[in-house]
Amino acid sequence: GQQVMQIPQYQHVQEGEDFTTYCNSSTTLSNIQWYKQRPGGHPVFLIQLVKSGEVKKQKRLTFQFGEAKKNSSLHITATQTTDVGTYFCAGVRGSQGNLIFGKGTKLSVKP
Amino acid sequence: DAGVTQSPTHLIKTRGQQVTLRCSPKSGHDTVSWYQQALGQGPQFIFQYYEEEERQRGNFPDRFSGHQFPNYSSELNVNALLLGDSALYLCASSRKLAGGLNQETQYFGPGTRLLVL
Repeated sequence: GQQVMQIPQYQHVQEGEDFTTYCNSSTTLSNIQWYKQRPGGHPVFLIQLVKSGEVKKQKRLTFQFGEAKKNSSLHITATQTTDVGTYFCAGVRGSQGNLIFGKGTKLSVKP
Repeated sequence: DAGVTQSPTHLIKTRGQQVTLRCSPKSGHDTVSWYQQALGQGPQFIFQYYEEEERQRGNFPDRFSGHQFPNYSSELNVNALLLGDSALYLCASSRKLAGGLNQETQYFGPGTRLLVL
């Protein structure tokens, strides 16, 4: 079945260091969405990428969608303690609309 | 403008019991999707409701059923509960685009934490 793989599973960084999480799908996606989930919380929408090769920025966060629309990445520059949480990518295939989540990357930031 | 709301926030049940979880979508949204998130995992799609009908379904047994009401709110029912059903159950709402195809971003509610003993 369709899978969305996400690596790494965990990432521990010192405050100020950069962080990247990668997402890869076994099939072409119509779009990919990124969510952040704080401990004890629920997924909060960050961004949606639709176009092949698309790059979007939100302050210190940079999101990329691969040319083949099968992979994506989230890069955080100069991490802060407020960035702590689990980052999920979620792919959408065709017109179905349901999200297929990766297992997430849990980010911890040491002050 | 209220976001997605879910009730109850927490629930404890025993094996074999039945449970009903409730979700009210974000204002202006007409589509409700349900997800199960086990500890340390990503959310898994259960099913989606639009126009009071189940439109898509993930790989979940028939013990999982749902309903959508005319006001777009939704219920998730789980029968014959198993220990493995313990999880965070998330409701996400969205709005269908013109033609009923694709949809905009899904917004998640706070979830219901279900513990089955």
